[in-house]
Amino acid sequence: QKEVEQNSGPLSVPEGAIASLNCTYSDRGSQSFFWYRQYSGKSPELIMFIYSNGDKEDGRFTAQLNKASQYVSLLIRDSQPSDSATYLCAVTGTASKLTFGTGTRLQVTL
Amino acid sequence: DVKVTQSSRYLVKRTGEKVFLECVQDMDHENMFWYRQDPGLGLRLIYFSYDVKMKEKGDIPEGYSVSREKKERFSLILESASTNQTSMYLCASSTIYKDYGYTFGSGTRLTVV
Repeated sequence: QKEVEQNSGPLSVPEGAIASLNCTYSDRGSQSFFWYRQYSGKSPELIMFIYSNGDKEDGRFTAQLNKASQYVSLLIRDSQPSDSATYLCAVTGTASKLTFGTGTRLQVTL
Repeated sequence: DVKVTQSSRYLVKRTGEKVFLECVQDMDHENMFWYRQDPGLGLRLIYFSYDVKMKEKGDIPEGYSVSREKKERFSLILESASTNQTSMYLCASSTIYKDYGYTFGSGTRLTVV
């Protein structure tokens, strides 16, 4: 079983819609959870992090964490073509070392 | 702004060559990491370092070594480059005092021919 699992996609949503990206993890001891965005040919950039159960909002982005279900999600409201990218979920294990999922490719269509 | 700088954006090397990939960060971060990223396989950890002169193996250390002589610099060494080491190499750093995740460098696309 992979430690961090994401659906590879592509997830296709129309412009203006809500994109919902999901991630599950296997290590119940994971403490911190991150979402990175990676454009094609570029390096990942951090867009959200969350530590506590519940929702965390930042602009058009909302991260949701449910530790009991070992599930973390990212919602993107009012999706724009510029949001088209691969979104990587990452969780901390021991000593600040991140484990990444393989990413979900998001396509926002006009 | 935290900056993580990788010395080369694109690199082409011959099979059997010794290859050095350099990474420098300017925010006094304790932790530094080397990943490779391949289509369908995601980010795989090669080596990481929590302090000067300290290193630990990641998930795929075979064929690689690292050096951290100064806090700001973390070098990845391919002892004898092979074609299966053709990949995107990403360096990252983080601090132990704020768990805000990694900051990545811009990556080095290495092609071994």
